[in-house]
Amino acid sequence: SQQGEEDPQALSIQEGENATMNCSYKTSINNLQWYRQNSGRGLVHLILIRSNEREKHSGRLRVTLDTSKKSSSLLITASRAADTASYFCATAPNAGGTSYGKLTFGQGTILTVHP
Amino acid sequence: DSGVTQTPKHLITATGQRVTLRCSPRSGDLSVYWYQQSLDQGLQFLIQYYNGEERAKGNILERFSAQQFPDLHSELNLSSLELGDSALYFCASSGSGLRGEQYFGPGTRLTVT
Repeated sequence: SQQGEEDPQALSIQEGENATMNCSYKTSINNLQWYRQNSGRGLVHLILIRSNEREKHSGRLRVTLDTSKKSSSLLITASRAADTASYFCATAPNAGGTSYGKLTFGQGTILTVHP
Repeated sequence: DSGVTQTPKHLITATGQRVTLRCSPRSGDLSVYWYQQSLDQGLQFLIQYYNGEERAKGNILERFSAQQFPDLHSELNLSSLELGDSALYFCASSGSGLRGEQYFGPGTRLTVT
């Protein structure tokens, strides 16, 4: 089962615009990660934000985390056609034991950037 | 290129058969993870190995099993295959931080006919 829900399911924008994707989750987390997947290919890690962090930047990416609302957002600024892909949030649990190391992925947001 | 390799890239087989998927992690990574991606279930965590030992288990069917060998490569064995097992199977690896970022291989596309 998926822990996270991502919103929107699909997003279509023009090159140069900003794209914002949201992710909600249900349980306590150690960290939240964002991945990108080009059609049918492997996932590429974008950024990791720990539960005690509120905001993180990497190049054109900005991630926020609100643990009180159990939600995160990914902002891609000045988008390019090459950013067209599916974007997934994934949570690493705070619990130990058998959950250790397990990432739970959301359903993903399909981003299309038109040139 | 993530440094994680998976073979084969594509696999077509019949129901009831058994297949083995292979994964080589990034150099130096001790953890290997297996995921299944399908249209209806999305990305599902199956199982994790760390330095040869099973560490975490997810929604892995009893017909599926995995192991990690002393050279750290891993194999996922799928048996008594059903049509619903058709999916993309990804392997990922990570370093010493067991809750850190994971590096994914290109996947094996399994088609069961």
